[in-house]
Amino acid sequence: NAGVTQTPKFRILKIGQSMTLQCAQDMNHNYMYWYRQDPGMGLKLIYYSVGAGITDKGEVPNGYNVSRSTTEDFPLRLELAAPSQTSVYFCASSHYSGRKYNEQFFGPGTRLTVL
Amino acid sequence: GQQLNQSPQSMFIQEGEDVSMNCTSSSIFNTWLWYKQDPGEGPVLLIALYKAGELTSNGRLTAQFGITRKDSFLNISASIPSDVGIYFCAGLPGAGNMLTFGGGTRLMVKP
Repeated sequence: NAGVTQTPKFRILKIGQSMTLQCAQDMNHNYMYWYRQDPGMGLKLIYYSVGAGITDKGEVPNGYNVSRSTTEDFPLRLELAAPSQTSVYFCASSHYSGRKYNEQFFGPGTRLTVL
Repeated sequence: GQQLNQSPQSMFIQEGEDVSMNCTSSSIFNTWLWYKQDPGEGPVLLIALYKAGELTSNGRLTAQFGITRKDSFLNISASIPSDVGIYFCAGLPGAGNMLTFGGGTRLMVKP
């Protein structure tokens, strides 16, 4: 299994450009997440999905959109990039069964710079 | 939203020394987690704690779930160079899988 994969690894955008960060998992997990990590800070949840066709906002959703058309893929869309969106973006997935915490597996991250 | 305060923010220690770090919150958490992040990688789960007072070990790592349910501690014994990285605490307030992360403790180990 490849686990959680993210593309691209690095990207530089100009203000106002748009892009999609790709995330895929091959573990048949129902839950998927997008986090951002600013320098020297912890991770903040942007959006999450509990299954195909279902998404919900996290702590910092403004400026982002997501979709979940399949179990495997959970792309994150930036429509009008702003310097405040310069960050490292992590995708994660987990199998949530309603019982105790199920480990979230993280991808390697996408480092985005908006100039 | 809920916040987790993690301390210290960074530590620079000699190889072989023991390390202690902690995480505190003004809110109660029902699950405490400790993650490690290596440079350029995503976080990896080290230890999960589910009950107040619980003490759990993973090799040289030991973590405790505080009895007030508002704090947690991580200890690393006999540190080695590969312990270098950022250690994050994370908490779950109840059912569900939505984590709140602390700001991280950056650990540097001098050989």
